[in-house]
Amino acid sequence: EDQVTQSPEALRLQEGESSSLNCSYTVSGLRGLFWYRQDPGKGPEFLFTLYSAGEEKEKERLKATLTKKESFLHITAPKPEDSATYLCAVRNTNAGKSTFGDGTTLTVKP
Amino acid sequence: GAGVSQSPSNKVTEKGKDVELRCDPISGHTALYWYRQRLGQGLEFLIYFQGNSAPDKSGLPSDRFSAERTGESVSTLTIQRTQQEDSAVYLCASSLVTGAPEKLFFGSGTQLSVL
Repeated sequence: EDQVTQSPEALRLQEGESSSLNCSYTVSGLRGLFWYRQDPGKGPEFLFTLYSAGEEKEKERLKATLTKKESFLHITAPKPEDSATYLCAVRNTNAGKSTFGDGTTLTVKP
Repeated sequence: GAGVSQSPSNKVTEKGKDVELRCDPISGHTALYWYRQRLGQGLEFLIYFQGNSAPDKSGLPSDRFSAERTGESVSTLTIQRTQQEDSAVYLCASSLVTGAPEKLFFGSGTQLSVL
């Protein structure tokens, strides 16, 4: 069975203090690893898809990387508006079930 | 519509009552998913539809839970004889189906509270 473990559970940063979130996974044939952002009271919002080890994607202050066992979401010089829960998910088929981790709740203080 | 729409946004019910949750996916998205999210936790897969068929129902926790989809559009998740442990946010998502794993578009969810 596919498994996703995210760490840390919670992360508090000062504005401008860069850090990384970890997503460790076991999956029977990775087809895609996804990062989503979830704000309170809302559904998750898509950030990135990574398909193979060595791949990297960037968007504003966020950069996602992928190895054969884990993915990192690097946050450079975060701002308070980056505060949210970040979810990682894996899929072993093109369509069908995505397995999610429990998320990392990021708080950025001004 | 512009996004995935779910109704109601909040539902309070008494233990033992039946509830129906509705999802309107993005037009043209043939794949539709239901997930459950308990407070402070990640998303728990319930069921996946491809068109009107459900090739994967493996996440439905008991036979009190059922779902259907009609017209390759609207889906309804029904929970019979609700229990307090059913309290959670129920999220619906839809996606395109192509030759690659596609991102999910989520609704804002239905917050279900069973008293």
